[in-house]
Parts: sequence; C-alpha cells; structure tokens
Amino acid sequence: GQQVMQIPQYQHVQEGEDFTTYCNSSTTLSNIQWYKQRPGGHPVFLIQLVKSGEVKKQKRLTFQFGEAKKNSSLHITATQTTDVGTYFCAGTDSNYQLIWGAGTKLIIKP
Amino acid sequence: ETGVTQTPRHLVMGMTNKKSLKCEQHLGHNAMYWYKQSAKKPLELMFVYNFKEQTENNSVPSRFSPECPNSSHLFLHLHTLQPEDSALYLCASSHRGPTLSSYNEQFFGPGTRLTVL
Repeated sequence: GQQVMQIPQYQHVQEGEDFTTYCNSSTTLSNIQWYKQRPGGHPVFLIQLVKSGEVKKQKRLTFQFGEAKKNSSLHITATQTTDVGTYFCAGTDSNYQLIWGAGTKLIIKP
Repeated sequence: ETGVTQTPRHLVMGMTNKKSLKCEQHLGHNAMYWYKQSAKKPLELMFVYNFKEQTENNSVPSRFSPECPNSSHLFLHLHTLQPEDSALYLCASSHRGPTLSSYNEQFFGPGTRLTVL
C-alpha cells in the first residue's frame, strides 16, 4: 500500500544544534501536514503545506514541500528543550487516504 | 485544551471483558477519527466518520466496533480483545469539505491508555 517513509527514527542533538526530519512518499500527495507530540501527550497540529515547492516558517521551524509533492521536511534551527518530542508528517494520497509517517523523536542531550 | 475530550484516560481490561471508549468534540467539526498508537509504530488510522457516516474502516478487526450517534460524539466498543491490542487510542476531529478530497488540521484528544491482560 501507500507509504510515507520518515527519517530518521531518532535524532540526538545538543541544545542549540539544528534538527531536520524528512518524509518521502512513493506517490504524489495533495497536501502534507506536520504534527508534534510531546512525551506523554497527544499530536498537535503544526502546519499544512499544499503547493508544490512551498516553504513556510514558524519562528525557528521551517517546513518545505517538494516540487514533485512527494517529499517534505521540517527543520528546527537552534533547538531548545521545549522542542523535545516526536514529529510526525501525514499526507493525503491520490486515493484520499491520510498516510502517517512513523515519526522522528527529537532528543536533547544533557 | 484542544476541545476534544476522551474518557476514560486509562483502562485495564481482561480479554473477555466488554468496554467502551468515549470521545466528545466541542469544536463544531463534522469529521471524527479513531487512531491506535503503539510503541515504535506509526499512528494507525482505524475509523473515519464524516457527517456521522463511516467512510473508512482500515482493516480493523471486528472486535473493535465504532459508533457515531452524532457529529459531536464517537464511541469505540471493545470486546474479546487481545494483549496486542494494548495501546494508546486517540480520538481526533476536523472539518472536512463535502468532496472529502483532503484532510484538514486534526485536533486530538488526550487518548485512552488501554491495557489488555
């Protein structure tokens, strides 16, 4: 079936370092959403990208949607302890199914 | 708070029990969802209800039975579960357009942590 591959599964960074997670789909997506789930919490919507090549920024977070609408990335500049959690992408495929990535867990090294 | 509530927050049940999970949304949305979240697995979309009608059932075993009496309430009835069904069950809601061609921002509840003994 349709899949959205998300990498890496985990990323350990020092506070202040950057973080990036990538999502790749085998087929074209009509849109892609990003969510953040804090430890012990539930997913919280961050953003939705719809247009080919779209780039959106939220403070230290930069979201991109590829030109072919098959991949997306989330980049966090200068991570802070409040950024800890798991970041998920979710895309709508050509069958109008919502496909979730497995998530990337951001861990801040002490 | 997200406007989506779930009860109970924790549930322990035996394999022969019957229990129900409840979800309520106060956001005026017309679509509601049940998800299963297990450790080290992607979020699994179980059921989708649009305008109170079930539009998706992603190969979920019949021991899970959803019910959506109105656009604000969603239930998940559980019976004869297996230990591998232990997981966090999340409810979400969103607004969906009439063509159902895409998904909008989903608002999640806090989840029910289910343990099947």
